[in-house]
Amino acid sequence: QITLRESGPTLVKPTQTLTLTCTFSGFSLTTSGVGVGWIRQPPGKALEWLALIYWDDDKRFNSSLESRLTITKDTAKNQVVLTMTDVDSVDTGTYFCARTAGRGTGWAFDFWGQGTLVTVSS
Amino acid sequence: EIVLTQSPGTLSLSPGERATLSCRASQNFGSHVAWYQQEPGQAPRLLIYDASNRASGIPARFSGSVSGTDFTLTISSLEPEDFALYYCLQRSNWEGYAFGQGTKLEIK
Repeated sequence: QITLRESGPTLVKPTQTLTLTCTFSGFSLTTSGVGVGWIRQPPGKALEWLALIYWDDDKRFNSSLESRLTITKDTAKNQVVLTMTDVDSVDTGTYFCARTAGRGTGWAFDFWGQGTLVTVSS
Repeated sequence: EIVLTQSPGTLSLSPGERATLSCRASQNFGSHVAWYQQEPGQAPRLLIYDASNRASGIPARFSGSVSGTDFTLTISSLEPEDFALYYCLQRSNWEGYAFGQGTKLEIK
């Protein structure tokens, strides 16, 4: 059974750094083709892809946010960590992590966490 | 940069009717396009990957197709549980990913 779960602060102050952790089970981030990504959704708005890390440590970022994002993995702990620097109120939203199994499912995100709501406010 | 434009923004139909949702890519990034359904307060659910392949457990009334940079999700006969938000997602090896802005499918 594949599960992903996001964890992190629910409230962050403007200009601070947001750190979110995705803890997963039922698959390995050492398997060829597998990746874990982060997606967010401001209240009442569309989904926005943020970043992804692959099994081989290759990384991709949303170009509009790349300067503020870092993504790392800990394969022993089955975790992926996303950091976002210099947050602002526009970064408020639900943050999801999701898995891609690679070419077999067209690199789509097939399993998702339930999401964690982050509010940026002073 | 991948830009996906979904249309219409809102689609009002009745149960039993056919729904056609569109997603147009700004340029040809390939056919790694997926469709998702999202209910309020829930994570998205994968419906279609690689433009036309149904994900595991997805009913046959959902289908996807592509013509050039135009991707289409069709629901052949709407069930009450199909009224939700729908998003397309494009993956490019170099650019990463991008979502469309979504289509709301509502009951008429």
